[in-house]
Amino acid sequence: QKEVEQNSGPLSVPEGAIASLNCTYSDRGSQSFFWYRQYSGKSPELIMSIYSNGDKEDGRFTAQLNKASQYVSLLIRDSQPSDSATYLCAPRNGGFKTIFGAGTRLFVKA
Amino acid sequence: EAGVVQSPRYKIIEKKQPVAFWCNPISGHNTLYWYLQNLGQGPELLIRYENEEAVDDSQLPKDRFSAERLKGVDSTLKIQPAELGDSAVYLCATSDNGDTGELFFGEGSRLTVL
Repeated sequence: QKEVEQNSGPLSVPEGAIASLNCTYSDRGSQSFFWYRQYSGKSPELIMSIYSNGDKEDGRFTAQLNKASQYVSLLIRDSQPSDSATYLCAPRNGGFKTIFGAGTRLFVKA
Repeated sequence: EAGVVQSPRYKIIEKKQPVAFWCNPISGHNTLYWYLQNLGQGPELLIRYENEEAVDDSQLPKDRFSAERLKGVDSTLKIQPAELGDSAVYLCATSDNGDTGELFFGEGSRLTVL
């Protein structure tokens, strides 16, 4: 079992739709959870962080965390073509080690 | 404020040659990470520094890889000798003194070993 599992995609959604990205993790000691966006040929950039169970909203992005299910998700509302990228799920454990998933490729069709 | 600076951006070498990558962190960021990223994969941690101390180097292939962070600021990652399988993007990331865990990445150094 991989430490962080994501559907590799590509996930294709029409412009204006909601994109839903999912992630499961194996380390129950994970305490902080991050979503990074990576455009092709570029380095990852942080878009969301979440530290407690529930939802966290920031603009068009909502992160959801369920530690009991070891599940974290990212919703992107009103998806835009500029959202087309790979989204990396990255839990961080109590030892301050951040593990990255392989990422989900999102394609937003104009 | 300047971000994380890495050099070189691209490097092409023949196998068995040495190569070195340099990273300058965001000012005040004491934690520095070197990650390796293969195509279609997420970044994989090689080493983490707290100031000048390597606190996690368990994933660093020490037979050919070495790293240093003198004076707790700039860092260098070296590979000697390089192998074909080392072709990848080497990412440097830093984080601040807080406990947020948020990483700020440099643009990366893309290595091609022929």
